[in-house]
Amino acid sequence: AQSVTQLGSHVSVSEGALVLLRCNYSSSVPPYLFWYVQYPNQGLQLLLKYTTGATLVKGINGFEAEFKKSETSFHLTKPSAHMSDAAEYFCAVSDPRFGNEKLTFGTGTRLTIIP
Amino acid sequence: GAVVSQHPSWVICKSGTSVKIECRSLDFQATTMFWYRQFPKQSLMLMATSNEGSKATYEQGVEKDKFLINHASLTLSTLTVTSAHPEDSSFYICSARRDRVIYEQYFGPGTRLTVT
Repeated sequence: AQSVTQLGSHVSVSEGALVLLRCNYSSSVPPYLFWYVQYPNQGLQLLLKYTTGATLVKGINGFEAEFKKSETSFHLTKPSAHMSDAAEYFCAVSDPRFGNEKLTFGTGTRLTIIP
Repeated sequence: GAVVSQHPSWVICKSGTSVKIECRSLDFQATTMFWYRQFPKQSLMLMATSNEGSKATYEQGVEKDKFLINHASLTLSTLTVTSAHPEDSSFYICSARRDRVIYEQYFGPGTRLTVT
């Protein structure tokens, strides 16, 4: 079975500072990995995903994440935080062997931006 | 593009009654849709996979007779909570997978169900 751990249910950073949201996974095979963002009263929106190929993945809104197999991690970063980045962020994993595209989510990290 | 809507966004019902939640893909076809449940301060838990024209596939531990799923068209899936009880109160979220695009699910805004 797969699982996802997001360290830090709440993260606060100053505007303009580096954003780092941590995600570690547990899987018996290299999984597909995803980051989603949820703004208040809206559905989850895909930020970026890793399936195969380059391990550094760039997404929307200036976010990127790097798949590190040796560390079983897929941390999300953004060089300079903006007020509009305040939201809930979810890391998710899928087992590519079955092709059913089921997602297993972490518990989420709420990002607060300090002016 | 790729918008998914849910209706209603919020519903209160009495214990023992049934409630239907709709999930629509507004601008794309979705053969496959997913239903999730989210408890406060917890992760989204997959309840079932809904496929157009066929029976839904339920995750282990999810009562299929209680959570009825119908996916009658390429743009609409419904979740009916039958004989609802207070423990069914939760946030229900659907997602739709755009046909011919792998590993991209588009999520609805969710439905808050409160059973009194």
